[in-house]
Amino acid sequence: DAGVTQSPTHLIKTRGQHVTLRCSPISGHKSVSWYQQVLGQGPQFIFQYYEKEERGRGNFPDRFSARQFPNYSSELNVNALLLGDSALYLCASTLAGPENIQYFGAGTRLSVL
Amino acid sequence: AQSVTQPDIHITVSEGASLELRCNYSYGATPYLFWYVQSPGQGLQLLLKYFSGDTLVQGIKGFEAEFKRSQSSFNLRKPSVHWSDAAEYFCAVGPYSGGGADGLTFGKGTHLIIQP
Repeated sequence: DAGVTQSPTHLIKTRGQHVTLRCSPISGHKSVSWYQQVLGQGPQFIFQYYEKEERGRGNFPDRFSARQFPNYSSELNVNALLLGDSALYLCASTLAGPENIQYFGAGTRLSVL
Repeated sequence: AQSVTQPDIHITVSEGASLELRCNYSYGATPYLFWYVQSPGQGLQLLLKYFSGDTLVQGIKGFEAEFKRSQSSFNLRKPSVHWSDAAEYFCAVGPYSGGGADGLTFGKGTHLIIQP
């Protein structure tokens, strides 16, 4: 079975632009979470979506938004990019239920110049 | 608010030696605890998890961790490390209930270096 897949793997943008990152969860998983990992730090929670609805949001500005599609894939959008948005963006999928085990993709490396 | 502290930024261990990575957490309820490993350029791979029950949990690749509620700790151990264990290790805490609306809270990670 395929794991969590993310695209693209690398992306270079300039300040002020917007970006869309994509994630396909493990087959059968209905929940997707997004994390930002700045170099040298642990991942920070951005969003969680379950059954196409936002279930949780971390401490990120409104420039960050996401959505989940009927096939449970997800997009993370970031508007008005800042240099500080440069990071590895990780997507995790969860089967949901009593055990909250999150399985992570390899991430998208975003560089903002 | 929950938090995770990994006091060691870097640890160097000789191949074949034992390993212990420290993790302390702060959480207002019964936590779910996790250890993940990240190799360069890779995502996070789950090593092991603690939800309830036996406080000593076994994971993949020969790793184990012990939950000590009195010390708010969840230290990761391995009796004999291999060069392939060199990576970044993250401890994380999550909410008890499913759905994970608050997401996981991660520590800053411990970079493990293996000496030949």
